[in-house]
Amino acid sequence: ETGVTQTPRHLVMGMTNKKSLKCEQHLGHNAMYWYKQSAKKPLELMFVYSLEERVENNSVPSRFSPECPNSSHLFLHLHTLQPEDSALYLCASSRDSSETQYFGPGTRLLVL
Amino acid sequence: DAKTTQPPSMDCAEGRAANLPCNHSTISGNEYVYWYRQIHSQGPQYIIHGLKNNETNEMASLIITEDRKSSTLILPHATLRDTAVYYCIVRPSSGGGADGLTFGKGTHLIIQP
Repeated sequence: ETGVTQTPRHLVMGMTNKKSLKCEQHLGHNAMYWYKQSAKKPLELMFVYSLEERVENNSVPSRFSPECPNSSHLFLHLHTLQPEDSALYLCASSRDSSETQYFGPGTRLLVL
Repeated sequence: DAKTTQPPSMDCAEGRAANLPCNHSTISGNEYVYWYRQIHSQGPQYIIHGLKNNETNEMASLIITEDRKSSTLILPHATLRDTAVYYCIVRPSSGGGADGLTFGKGTHLIIQP
């Protein structure tokens, strides 16, 4: 247990669906991150939030929409995804954006 | 961020020390060396990090060469549960620009019974 939880752990959705991934950290951290890991590829950074403000958007398509309502919660809203968006989506948090990052267990997403 | 080079795979016998090398010849003076591991389909797990000095914690030891161009992660008594992909990452000590981690392909360590 790293203190970072993600729900759901598994998700299957159609290309016309709208769904949201949730991440919660119980560590009192101020920075949160979304990463994507496609099959047989390295982890890729998607978004960085520091003190609830987005500080990095790594050229992610607009069908992925992050939301950080407070420093403990991070959401990734999904709409009109493509099958190639199927991947493991990982959330991480750190005390600030220069400190060690701790990862959640991930959400395994399958887009049909 | 500096690039790292790791062997794609390694085997180690259970109970023996596992020594995982990493080359980071272009590392800058303010960049830390971080090690994470990822057991199949789980989130990456932080192991250890260091700047110049060797470091040890309950999981592993990190040996950094004097010129900082390479490092070795040591798992002193490997168990079957240490089978995972191990990532060596260098990153600046302070943010500025991208604050995320840049993962490579890592080393797939297989512990043999």
